[in-house]
Amino acid sequence: DADVTQTPRNRITKTGKRIMLECSQTKGHDRMYWYRQDPGLGLRLIYYSFDVKDINKGEISDGYSVSRQAQAKFSLSLESAIPNQTALYFCATSQGLAGYNEQFFGPGTRLTVL
Amino acid sequence: KQEVTQIPAALSVPEGENLVLNCSFTDSAIYNLQWFRQDPGKGLTSLLLIQSSQREQTSGRLNASLDKSSGRSTLYIAASQPGDSATYLCAVQGGATNKLIFGTGTLLAVQP
Repeated sequence: DADVTQTPRNRITKTGKRIMLECSQTKGHDRMYWYRQDPGLGLRLIYYSFDVKDINKGEISDGYSVSRQAQAKFSLSLESAIPNQTALYFCATSQGLAGYNEQFFGPGTRLTVL
Repeated sequence: KQEVTQIPAALSVPEGENLVLNCSFTDSAIYNLQWFRQDPGKGLTSLLLIQSSQREQTSGRLNASLDKSSGRSTLYIAASQPGDSATYLCAVQGGATNKLIFGTGTLLAVQP
């Protein structure tokens, strides 16, 4: 079984709809991250969480919100989806060791906003 | 602001060739550098992580080097195979947040 799972894997939605992407991990890691990937732009950090009570904005947090429901679960929400949020979204996890944080990625969610 | 660049953006080689992928970064104050592989429609697979105090890491046919002072890393793939075809991403980690800053990747095609 995969250590980092994301649901759904694919989603097509319409402008203005609320969407939630979910991430679960069995690695026992404290730190979780949400990235989006766009062609030609690489991966960019949306939000990250170092533990259940810690939530931080990344580079491109506008239009997104997150919830860390438990150590193993980190959800990303688009309150009112817009077409330029069409992208591939990745969740990642890492241990909480200072200076050493190899990140492990989920399989991604392909989101299309029409 | 840290910027990561990967050259070339795309590379096509015949099977069996040795090849080098390049990654450069603008701020040498990093904790580590990580190389990933991404297959179409799939997530990122971590290949190698080099700590800032290390010069290189090896895993099978892969060897990654790090020259922090010049802001460069290379990924060397020996005896390439069609199964190596994928996009290769490098990312550096540093600063208080430990977040990863990614390059835009090199799309590798190994022709049989």
